[in-house]
Amino acid sequence: KQEVTQIPAALSVPEGENLVLNCSFTDSAIYNLQWFRQDPGKGLTSLLLIQSSQREQTSGRLNASLDKSSGRSTLYIAASQPGDSATYLCAVYITQGGSEKLVFGKGTKLTVNP
Amino acid sequence: SQTIHQWPATLVQPVGSPLSLECTVEGTSNPNLYWYRQAAGRGLQLLFYSVGIGQISSEVPQNLSASRPQDRQFILSSKKLLLSDSGFYLCAWSSYPGAPLHFGNGTRLTVT
Repeated sequence: KQEVTQIPAALSVPEGENLVLNCSFTDSAIYNLQWFRQDPGKGLTSLLLIQSSQREQTSGRLNASLDKSSGRSTLYIAASQPGDSATYLCAVYITQGGSEKLVFGKGTKLTVNP
Repeated sequence: SQTIHQWPATLVQPVGSPLSLECTVEGTSNPNLYWYRQAAGRGLQLLFYSVGIGQISSEVPQNLSASRPQDRQFILSSKKLLLSDSGFYLCAWSSYPGAPLHFGNGTRLTVT
């Protein structure tokens, strides 16, 4: 059974710092990996999608990497801003039990202090 | 552009009462539709997904059901709510399996 773990559960950094969020998964048989952002009381916003054949994806100050063989992904945020404060979730797209679905981690709550 | 609407935003219901949450998607056709539940400390759990009208797959046996009466409409229902049904319910859509998932703003359900 695929399990997705995100460490740390919470992270607090000063504004301007570069930071890395970690995601690990137990089964390397994934189709893709997606990173999401969730603001308090809101739905999730898709940030980046990395196909299983890719190594990384970039969008603005965000860079996500994928090492499928080791079951790891990182989300790098450059020059963090208070507006980046949110919970970041990763999810892997898999086939399990005859169905295809995303399996989510529990997220890392990021606080960027001005 | 595509948009997803989910309502209501918050709901407080007594145990044993019925439930109906609605989700609609605009600006696309034949989307894959999903219902997730997010409970504190447990992450997101996939409840139902649908690849077409009338086609519903259930991921977890439970007190809930889902229906897709129209191409871009997805409804989550219960005949009798339990306390354990409390949580944050999220509707989502994607263009095809494995495509980026787009979420609605969620419904906070409290069963009292």
